[in-house]
Amino acid sequence: QQQVKQSPQSLIVQKGGISIINCAYENTAFDYFPWYQQFPGKGPALLIAIRPDVSEKKEGRFTISFNKSAKQFSLHIMDSQPGDSATYFCAAYRDYKLSFGAGTTVTVRA
Amino acid sequence: EPEVTQTPSHQVTQMGQEVILRCVPISNHLYFYWYRQILGQKVEFLVSFYNNEISEKSEIFDDQFSVERPDGSNFTLKIRSTKLEDSAMYFCASSMDSGNQPQHFGDGTRLSIL
Repeated sequence: QQQVKQSPQSLIVQKGGISIINCAYENTAFDYFPWYQQFPGKGPALLIAIRPDVSEKKEGRFTISFNKSAKQFSLHIMDSQPGDSATYFCAAYRDYKLSFGAGTTVTVRA
Repeated sequence: EPEVTQTPSHQVTQMGQEVILRCVPISNHLYFYWYRQILGQKVEFLVSFYNNEISEKSEIFDDQFSVERPDGSNFTLKIRSTKLEDSAMYFCASSMDSGNQPQHFGDGTRLSIL
């Protein structure tokens, strides 16, 4: 059962552009939604997270938008930089475990 | 900044052999996790551990798998009789608390079964 669906699988954005990654979940019992950034050969690193009672959270150039009624949440990367080129995973938490999306590979062209 | 440390970074093992993957969680964290990532696939939950007990485990975590906190700092994952399909990247994670608390991941152990 695929509990968290993530799209797109990959995206290419120009330097300075906006990257948008979308996730949808099925289980309304999820109560915490983090985003992780992963570089090749490294483990997932927590980027930003949101709780379902909040509709938006911004940290620097990264913003999560959360739509509880639609069971969707998204990551926006503003002013994308070449150093943002990585794989991004959304996740959802319940019962001591994270369920991950399939990941989005973001490539920022200089 | 404190981090989760995993050893070895790469483990090559013959099919049928036992393997132990080691992790040192962040020192004041109380909850510990193992996840795995098969090449090209998403990260999958294996097991969570708190107060010397398994809190939750996935269907992947069958009788061939076990976890242990042998001392105050280490957290291990043992696979008793490895199979080819166990080849994956194994990540250890820890968090200060359960619920909506950040889980911090190590850089993983790449397990290759021959």
